[in-house]
Amino acid sequence: SAVISQKPSRDICQRGTSLTIQCQVDSQVTMMFWYRQQPGQSLTLIATANQGSEATYESGFVIDKFPISRPNLTFSTLTVSNMSPEDSSIYLCSVEGQGQETQYFGPGTRLLVL
Amino acid sequence: ELKVEQNPLFLSMQEGKNYTIYCNYSTTSDRLYWYRQDPGKSLESLFVLLSNGAVKQEGRLMASLDTKARLSTLHITAAVHDLSATYFCAVDRMDSSYKLIFGSGTRLLVRP
Repeated sequence: SAVISQKPSRDICQRGTSLTIQCQVDSQVTMMFWYRQQPGQSLTLIATANQGSEATYESGFVIDKFPISRPNLTFSTLTVSNMSPEDSSIYLCSVEGQGQETQYFGPGTRLLVL
Repeated sequence: ELKVEQNPLFLSMQEGKNYTIYCNYSTTSDRLYWYRQDPGKSLESLFVLLSNGAVKQEGRLMASLDTKARLSTLHITAAVHDLSATYFCAVDRMDSSYKLIFGSGTRLLVRP
């Protein structure tokens, strides 16, 4: 299994500012994923972060808005740029399971944009 | 495009009763996952189902997978209040494993 931590756990931000969310895993993983969960909604994949290459973004998400870094096999960051109230969500990172294991999720970062 | 549909979206049931949550998906997938989410919390993995006919059980929860029907069920036996949570199913996109498409979730409330 994988243990994932995220920082910050929650934040309140002003519109127009940016927030960087950190995700740390206790083991080396090839793929890390960033998901968004809007209030009362399900989860939507934002992007996939592979070490040594640029992140791959899903339809509706762009690098300028959600730049991602993946400097090594245990760490990734997601930045939410030029925030608006519509960005208020829970942002979760996840990692692939090994073999037949499940996919693991971090505790999430709860973001409120005023 | 892979779509995942769950029903019901909301379920209120009495303790001691049985019920089933359904998860349909639109195209072939290698894996199906069930997660639980408590209010204000992250996702807790319940089951991962890998093959047709797979059945897994943990306590009062049992999940099954029928890949031919593209259907998974999460059966709750003799519900207790502690099972109150939101339950999500998710499937792997066939174009790239581990990218999950989630259902809308089933909010379960177990009443005393």
